[in-house]
Amino acid sequence: QSALTQFASVSGSPGQSITISCTGTSSDVGGYNFVSWYQQQPGKAPKLMIHDVSNRPSGVSNRFSGSKSGNTASLTISGLQAEDEADYYCSSYTSNSTQVFGTGTKVTVL
Amino acid sequence: EVQLVESGGGLVKPGGSLRLSCAASGFTFSSYSMNWVRQAPGKGLEWVSSISSSSSYIYYADSVKGRFTISRDNTENSLFLHMSSLRAEDTAVYYCARGIYGSGYILEAFDYWGQGTLVPVSS
Repeated sequence: QSALTQFASVSGSPGQSITISCTGTSSDVGGYNFVSWYQQQPGKAPKLMIHDVSNRPSGVSNRFSGSKSGNTASLTISGLQAEDEADYYCSSYTSNSTQVFGTGTKVTVL
Repeated sequence: EVQLVESGGGLVKPGGSLRLSCAASGFTFSSYSMNWVRQAPGKGLEWVSSISSSSSYIYYADSVKGRFTISRDNTENSLFLHMSSLRAEDTAVYYCARGIYGSGYILEAFDYWGQGTLVPVSS
């Protein structure tokens, strides 16, 4: 199972909105509404930000939103803040009854 | 408060074995699927294995199938990963993580993570 494809880096200025994409296939992202997004700060464990494409866990800022179109899922961060600087990973359930993560996107706040 | 604490990591030689443990607290452990995810130094996340709440369903990544065994002890609130035939490419921080839904779900999102335990595989 190949990793889902994410752009290596995305940057934005404080207050701006950015979108991180995650491209898979019809056997994973496109076939199921089981896409999640994780934020990982340096040296820390990942934190769940979005599950099941667009659901935010309790305590996660509403500046984070998720969506999906075809084989590509997206995470949008609105009102970008310095604390949002981190690595972001998508993940998806697959038709092989496995999970697969994305390659990761480093978000830089300019 | 949900807590997951991994232990058992450490330097191991290629071909060797190691057992990782994850002690869970703050929730009804026996109701949730549990998972192992690893991260090689400077690299991305890689799903390793998942086990359902009653151990009825177990899944592995192809990269570890036949070498790693996931198990759990619901009486001790503990998750395990027995790793054998270790290779240099297994070098990583290993995280245990809880499935978000409980109630028989598996391979869903991971809502709580431990801090990880480092497993270097080197001669």
